Amino acid sequence: EAQVTQNPRYLITVTGKKLTVTCSQNMNHEYMSWYRQDPGLGLRQIYYSMNVEVTDKGDVPEGYKVSRKEKRNFPLILESPSPNQTSLYFCASSTQGTGELFFGEGSRLTVL
Amino acid sequence: GENVEQHPSTLSVQEGDSAVIKCTYSDSASNYFPWYKQELGKRPQLIIDIRSNVGEKKDQRIAVTLNKTAKHFSLHITETQPEDSAVYFCAASRPRGGSYIPTFGRGTSLIVHP
Repeated sequence: EAQVTQNPRYLITVTGKKLTVTCSQNMNHEYMSWYRQDPGLGLRQIYYSMNVEVTDKGDVPEGYKVSRKEKRNFPLILESPSPNQTSLYFCASSTQGTGELFFGEGSRLTVL
Repeated sequence: GENVEQHPSTLSVQEGDSAVIKCTYSDSASNYFPWYKQELGKRPQLIIDIRSNVGEKKDQRIAVTLNKTAKHFSLHITETQPEDSAVYFCAASRPRGGSYIPTFGRGTSLIVHP
C-alpha cells in the first residue's frame, strides 16, 4: 500500500530535549516536505527536499533541521525544542511533474 | 515569496446549498493550484486541482475556477452534504526543478447543517 509513515504520532517532551520525528514514503517520490499546522495559521512549510542530499528552507525553518540521505526518508530534527514548537506536524511527498502531495497521518508534539 | 489569501475562514451552510471558497495569490510564477480537504483528526487529501492553462475543472459536485489575470481561484461545492464538513485548504504552487513548491492558504472550515 502506497503511504507516508510518520513516527511518533504523539509525543510530549520537555524544553531542550532533542527529538526526531521520522518520515518514510514507499512511493519513490523525489519531493518530500514538512509542515506544521497551527489553529488559524493553516499549513506552513518548514523544510523541503527535491531529492537526495538536496534540502531547502521553507517559510518557518527556525529551530528545525532536516536531512535527506536516502530517497525514502526525511526526518525532522528539533535540536532544542521550545514550547512555541508545540504543534501538529505533517510530512508529505510527491512525484516530479504532478504536484499532488501525499500526507502522512501527522505527529502531535507538545513541548512543556 | 508567494502569499495566498483564503476566504472565508468559516462557512456555515444548510444541506443542499452551494458553498464557495475563494483564494488569491501573488506570484505569477505559480501555475498549479490544488485544493485539499482535511476531515477532523485526519490528514489533508487532494480533492481537485487545476493548472494555469485551464480556466475551469469539474468533478461531480466539485468545481474549481481560475482567473490568472486577477490571480484568484475558487472552489465551488454544489448540493452540499454533511460529509462535506471539513477544513479546506487552497494552495498556489510554483514549479522548481520538476517539482512544485506549494504555499497554502489558512484554510476554510466548512460546516454543513443537516
